[in-house]
Amino acid sequence: SYDLTQPPSLSVSPGQTASITCSGNILHDKFVCWYQQKAGQSPVLVIYHDSKRPSGIPERFSGSNSGNTATLTISVTQAMDEADYYCQVWDSSTALFGGGTKLTVL
Amino acid sequence: QVQLQESGPGLVKPSQTLSLTCTVSGASISSGNYYWSWIRQPPGKGLEWIGDIYYSGSTYYKTSLISRLKISVDTSRNQFSLKLNSVTAADTAVYYCARMVYYYDGNIPLPDAFDIWGQGTKVTVSS
Repeated sequence: SYDLTQPPSLSVSPGQTASITCSGNILHDKFVCWYQQKAGQSPVLVIYHDSKRPSGIPERFSGSNSGNTATLTISVTQAMDEADYYCQVWDSSTALFGGGTKLTVL
Repeated sequence: QVQLQESGPGLVKPSQTLSLTCTVSGASISSGNYYWSWIRQPPGKGLEWIGDIYYSGSTYYKTSLISRLKISVDTSRNQFSLKLNSVTAADTAVYYCARMVYYYDGNIPLPDAFDIWGQGTKVTVSS
């Protein structure tokens, strides 16, 4: 089981907006990170500090965190965005990951 | 360009010790601006944080693994390592090493994001 809850899957059509949620009581007052993991590859950091994008991450990736829910939003979703997405927070020097959301772009 | 590379046996027998090394290139592990982490992913499942180490040797471990886990650092080789003893099939996973950035809240350093990951190494626990 996970302290952070994500929907197992989400399907969107190309060009649509994908919103992936991460919920949990521990999200309150914590910064959230998001990772993208394409099939057979290592995870890649796409959002940190709730809403900041690392260098090289497209502007269509954005994040927010309010109350007990954090959201990763991918606007104008592309086929290359198909991947598993994981949220992550720190709690008492322990990193916690959500269970992951499989995003399908079809 | 900073790169991390895991190495170690791909097959470990039950009850034995799993040993992996992560070699860091393109940056000094002693730079002091990062922690160095291990994260694993069982087949078909999500990510699980194992622990972190600072270049000074300071560590943080996942509570449920404390009794079996040791993470160490070798600054002369720019490497850090993981040893997990008494392994079972439940330890079968892809093991990743990663760089963890921290930030300051006032004067207090706090863990932040895993910004660079190795390619991962698959470890199977089986007789």
